[in-house]
Amino acid sequence: KQEVTQIPAALSVPEGENLVLNCSFTDSAIYNLQWFRQDPGKGLTSLLLIQSSQREQTSGRLNASLDKSSGRSTLYIAASQPGDSATYLCAVHSNSGYALNFGKGTSLLVTP
Amino acid sequence: DVKVTQSSRYLVKRTGEKVFLECVQDMDHENMFWYRQDPGLGLRLIYFSYDVKMKEKGDIPEGYSVSREKKERFSLILESASTNQTSMYLCASSFWSSTKNTEAFFGQGTRLTVV
Repeated sequence: KQEVTQIPAALSVPEGENLVLNCSFTDSAIYNLQWFRQDPGKGLTSLLLIQSSQREQTSGRLNASLDKSSGRSTLYIAASQPGDSATYLCAVHSNSGYALNFGKGTSLLVTP
Repeated sequence: DVKVTQSSRYLVKRTGEKVFLECVQDMDHENMFWYRQDPGLGLRLIYFSYDVKMKEKGDIPEGYSVSREKKERFSLILESASTNQTSMYLCASSFWSSTKNTEAFFGQGTRLTVV
């Protein structure tokens, strides 16, 4: 069964810092990997989708990379802002199934 | 904008009640999913459906059933609600095709409390 791990579980940074969130997965036979943002008490908002054939995707201040062979993805947030404070979830869509397997998330706090 | 809409943001039900959680998507997606999210346990898949009237059990189906009579609607049913089903429930949908973008989209969540 695909296991997805996110490190760190929580992170606090001052506004303006660049930061990296990490995601690792155990089975490299994946279809795609998706990064989500979740605000407290809310649903998940899709940030970036990386297909298995891609190395990275960018959206504004966000850049996600994928190294399928080593089972790793990173989400890079440039020039962090207090509005970036949220939980960030990594999810893997394995070749063997329909559904996403989720990590437990990284809780990010950006302080003014 | 793509939309996945869950019928309620908050629900309070009594132990033993039959509970229906509804989810509707407007993207013509084949796949629909129900997850529950609990602190420390993350998101866990309850059931999913890849077509009308088709359903598959996820990791934690016990105590739940689902219904998909129309492509756009996927219902989660708690046959006899129990306090251990108090949780945040999240619905999602996606395409499933090698030629389509299979990005998953989520609803806003339903916080269910069983008392």
